[in-house]
Amino acid sequence: SQQGEEDPQALSIQEGENATMNCSYKTSINNLQWYRQNSGRGLVHLILIRSNEREKHSGRLRVTLDTSKKSSSLLITASRAADTASYFCATVARMDSSYKLIFGSGTRLLVRP
Amino acid sequence: DTGVSQDPRHKITKRGQNVTFRCDPISEHNRLYWYRQTLGQGPEFLTYFQNEAQLEKSRLLSDRFSAERPKGSFSTLEIQRTEQGDSAMYLCASSLIGVGPYNEQFFGPGTRLTVL
Repeated sequence: SQQGEEDPQALSIQEGENATMNCSYKTSINNLQWYRQNSGRGLVHLILIRSNEREKHSGRLRVTLDTSKKSSSLLITASRAADTASYFCATVARMDSSYKLIFGSGTRLLVRP
Repeated sequence: DTGVSQDPRHKITKRGQNVTFRCDPISEHNRLYWYRQTLGQGPEFLTYFQNEAQLEKSRLLSDRFSAERPKGSFSTLEIQRTEQGDSAMYLCASSLIGVGPYNEQFFGPGTRLTVL
């Protein structure tokens, strides 16, 4: 079963607006990662945040991590129609030498032109 | 293009048939992972290899599933006696362990399996 839950499940916004997606997880983590998936395609790595970090930026992306609440958020600023995709958070459990990724159920983002 | 390729991209088969998928990771990557993704869900871990050794298998990997990575390079995932519940996207990812502690995984485009 999935480790995490994402909220909202679906999000529709106008181009230029900001999009915020939230992720909750259950176990102690080594790191948390966000991936993007265009319809029917593979996953593209967006950003990784370590368990001892609270916030990270990459271009128009901002990720926060609150390990006390076991939650993370992904903010996409000034969204574009090309940002339309599904977004997944994935965690790597602390002390798991496999480094396998445990994914949430995803947020489907639609950016209307 | 992440450098990870999978073949075929789509497979339609009848229930009870065997199917085999191939994954070619990034050439210097020593870890290879298989995940399965059903419609509307996130990927779920199936198994992983370090070089040619299969080190962990999920409970999702029933006896009908077998994976190999014979020379530590490409990998195959075989499903025997397919069932309709096997219909999913099968994703492969590779990584280079030992380069930094965080093991970024690079995903292939996936093989979409439809069992009729």
